[in-house]
Amino acid sequence: SQQGEEDPQALSIQEGENATMNCSYKTSINNLQWYRQNSGRGLVHLILIRSNEREKHSGRLRVTLDTSKKSSSLLITASRAADTASYFCATDAEYSGGGADGLTFGKGTHLIIQP
Amino acid sequence: NAGVTQTPKFQVLKTGQSMTLQCAQDMNHEYMSWYRQDPGMGLRLIHYSVGAGITDQGEVPNGYNVSRSTTEDFPLRLLSAAPSQTSVYFCASSKLAGHTDTQYFGPGTRLTVL
Repeated sequence: SQQGEEDPQALSIQEGENATMNCSYKTSINNLQWYRQNSGRGLVHLILIRSNEREKHSGRLRVTLDTSKKSSSLLITASRAADTASYFCATDAEYSGGGADGLTFGKGTHLIIQP
Repeated sequence: NAGVTQTPKFQVLKTGQSMTLQCAQDMNHEYMSWYRQDPGMGLRLIHYSVGAGITDQGEVPNGYNVSRSTTEDFPLRLLSAAPSQTSVYFCASSKLAGHTDTQYFGPGTRLTVL
């Protein structure tokens, strides 16, 4: 089952611009995570935000969480060509509901940074 | 630290063959898991383990077996490969439970079943 849904599915911007990706989910969560995947590689953790947090920063990354709207956003500021990748949100919703102990991933946003 | 390693990187099987995908981590993580990634589907949890000797099913466990005899290793076995198991397989580990902690992913195994 797909808990998180990223929007847009694909995003192409110019280098130096900001990139914003959104994630919506359906059931209550304890935490939400964002991961990056470069083509043909494994996933790399970016940020974990807990349900009692509203915003977290890490370098050029800013993540917000709105539990009332069941949504999160990932902002990458001053984008670089190296930011070209797919970005996934993941939640623990299945576990919260008594399911398997793991993460439920969305389908991802494919971000392309044009030089 | 090598982190999470997976072998092989690529594998082609014929329908009905069996094989084992290897996963190892050197971070002394208790939690390990296997995901599969299909085009347009995101990652789906196959099996997971919260410690040596303990395994449990994820979202899509059918056709796969796992065991966890040591903290470091978590192999995934395909008993009788089917074309529907063509996918990219990722192993992940974390210090704490999988739903609460940062996951460290391996580089993946790309499997094709003919």
